[in-house]
Amino acid sequence: NAGVTQTPKFQVLKTGQSMTLQCAQDMNHEYMSWYRQDPGMGLRLIHYSVGAGITDQGEVPNGYNVSRSTTEDFPLRLLSAAPSQTSVYFCASRPPGGRNTIYFGEGSWLTVV
Amino acid sequence: RKEVEQDPGPFNVPEGATVAFNCTYSNSASQSFFWYRQDCRKEPKLLMSVYSSGNEDGRFTAQLNRASQYISLLIRDSKLSDSATYLCVVNMNNYGQNFVFGPGTRLSVLP
Repeated sequence: NAGVTQTPKFQVLKTGQSMTLQCAQDMNHEYMSWYRQDPGMGLRLIHYSVGAGITDQGEVPNGYNVSRSTTEDFPLRLLSAAPSQTSVYFCASRPPGGRNTIYFGEGSWLTVV
Repeated sequence: RKEVEQDPGPFNVPEGATVAFNCTYSNSASQSFFWYRQDCRKEPKLLMSVYSSGNEDGRFTAQLNRASQYISLLIRDSKLSDSATYLCVVNMNNYGQNFVFGPGTRLSVLP
């Protein structure tokens, strides 16, 4: 059972570089999200999608872009990496409804130098 | 005030101890509540939902106090394997993407 798969697991970027974190889920979930997790803070929502072709901003969207061309895939693009974007990134998916479990990918550790 | 706050921790307890974590939330209209567990360098995973009447799952008991806007998690007979960070999660409405995560409380169960 693959669940939510995100790649890469580790990445080091130089300031100003761009990159894409990939996320795919095989549970046919409509809702997908990207979070970042920093020490001492909860997971913060970057962008989310409620279905193919629909995306919206979360709490901390600046510096990131997303697209949702299929139900399965939800890539996160860093446009011009900054040291403040050093973090752990989690992709997540869930069915609609406020009580449903959120399923997370294993995380991507990103360092910007 | 942060939307979801938790005991700062860390909690260091001996095996077999009972430990309780508290979480408070700011939005009185919040609809659903959860505890997630996150192991070191791993993704969060659902531990249990929290229901209005309180609920129990083995050694774990969750309580909700809507009037005071807090949630608690009680772990009885702690095991070494319970060592993790426990995240309080509040859905601020019952639809959409407004799940807010607390910063987490780290638990270390010592032999």
